[in-house]
Amino acid sequence: GAGVSQSPSNKVTEKGKDVELRCDPISGHTALYWYRQRLGQGLEFLIYFQGNSAPDKSGLPSDRFSAERTGESVSTLTIQRTQQEDSAVYLCASTPGTLGKTQYFGPGTRLLVL
Amino acid sequence: GENVEQHPSTLSVQEGDSAVIKCTYSDSASNYFPWYKQELGKGPQLIIDIRSNVGEKKDQRIAVTLNKTAKHFSLHITETQPEDSAVYFCAASHGQAGTALIFGKGTTLSVSS
Repeated sequence: GAGVSQSPSNKVTEKGKDVELRCDPISGHTALYWYRQRLGQGLEFLIYFQGNSAPDKSGLPSDRFSAERTGESVSTLTIQRTQQEDSAVYLCASTPGTLGKTQYFGPGTRLLVL
Repeated sequence: GENVEQHPSTLSVQEGDSAVIKCTYSDSASNYFPWYKQELGKGPQLIIDIRSNVGEKKDQRIAVTLNKTAKHFSLHITETQPEDSAVYFCAASHGQAGTALIFGKGTTLSVSS
């Protein structure tokens, strides 16, 4: 079946602009994660959604970052007033829920802030 | 907080040789340890995982070992092939219900023919 999809695949923006990144999880997956991956680095946890529970926002680096999820479907990650250090690949992953810990990743959105 | 250390950061081997990547973790409550392979321009893909009730798991040329006492786990790739060249990440479960994953910084594996 279809995997996790993300859009756009690439985004170039100017410093100070807002950007929205989209993630479509695998159908039926109740848990969704956002990660940031800077060039040559590992994955940095940002935020986690599980069903209708309050999201775990403990990884968001500043209040310029926010994310929403509609039910158990699409999620958007918003970065306001982008800075050059926000340049990275933003990865989304979904899992079947708390019992299934295998995370299935999307291809990522490559964000470049000029 | 939870920390996962991964070594080496880069690894170069000849085709046919074995490759070993090692990780250590700090949270004694961690009970799930996946390994991901990331090829250039793509998202990470799960290649093998192990849970804390077993010490070793094998899938063809790939095996993972876990030592819970020492809090370390390793990935072993035998008979390496050029298509094994990629970045490999280890991870350990953490957080409420163990649903969060903490990743290592990755190992860039290069297999030359």
